[in-house]
Amino acid sequence: GQQLNQSPQSMFIQEGEDVSMNCTSSSIFNTWLWYKQDPGEGPVLLIALYKAGELTSNGRLTAQFGITRKDSFLNISASIPSDVGIYFCAGQIKAAGNKLTFGGGTRVLVKP
Amino acid sequence: ETGVTQTPRHLVMGMTNKKSLKCEQHLGHNAMYWYKQSAKKPLELMFVYNFKEQTENNSVPSRFSPECPNSSHLFLHLHTLQPEDSALYLCATGAGGSSTDTQYFGPGTRLTVL
Repeated sequence: GQQLNQSPQSMFIQEGEDVSMNCTSSSIFNTWLWYKQDPGEGPVLLIALYKAGELTSNGRLTAQFGITRKDSFLNISASIPSDVGIYFCAGQIKAAGNKLTFGGGTRVLVKP
Repeated sequence: ETGVTQTPRHLVMGMTNKKSLKCEQHLGHNAMYWYKQSAKKPLELMFVYNFKEQTENNSVPSRFSPECPNSSHLFLHLHTLQPEDSALYLCATGAGGSSTDTQYFGPGTRLTVL
């Protein structure tokens, strides 16, 4: 089955920093989604990408659908403390119906 | 009004108990999903319902039994669970159909099996 490799697994941020995370796969996806999950809550959709090369922003968040359709990245600019949480990428293939394949998540923590 | 709600938010049960998890959506979506989220593992798809019909069972043990009585409600009936079934159970919904489908998640039910 498809697998998504998400990196880094965890990262520390300092307020004001820009941070970046990415997902790669050996499979081609038709849709890339980025979610954020806070402790004790379900994932919340941040950005959805539907076309190769697409670059989409949502406030301080920017995500891109890779040209090869096998990767995507998420950038957070000028990070703030509430950016802490776990970020998940998810890919979707039309031929596989509506099923999402999830990455392992990137845990964003605040530098002590 | 919250799009996708789940009840209860927390559940502790013994291995011989029978309980049910409930998911309700107010988004007018036609597809509903159950996922299991365990520590240090990616989200695992369990079941998919499209237009109230089950279209996917991802090799889930029979001690988990889903039910979708209408397009707004999804249940997961639990019986004779094992401690390793302890996890966060997430419901998600999407527009459904054959096109790619953005999914929206509920807050989850934190299940502990003793």
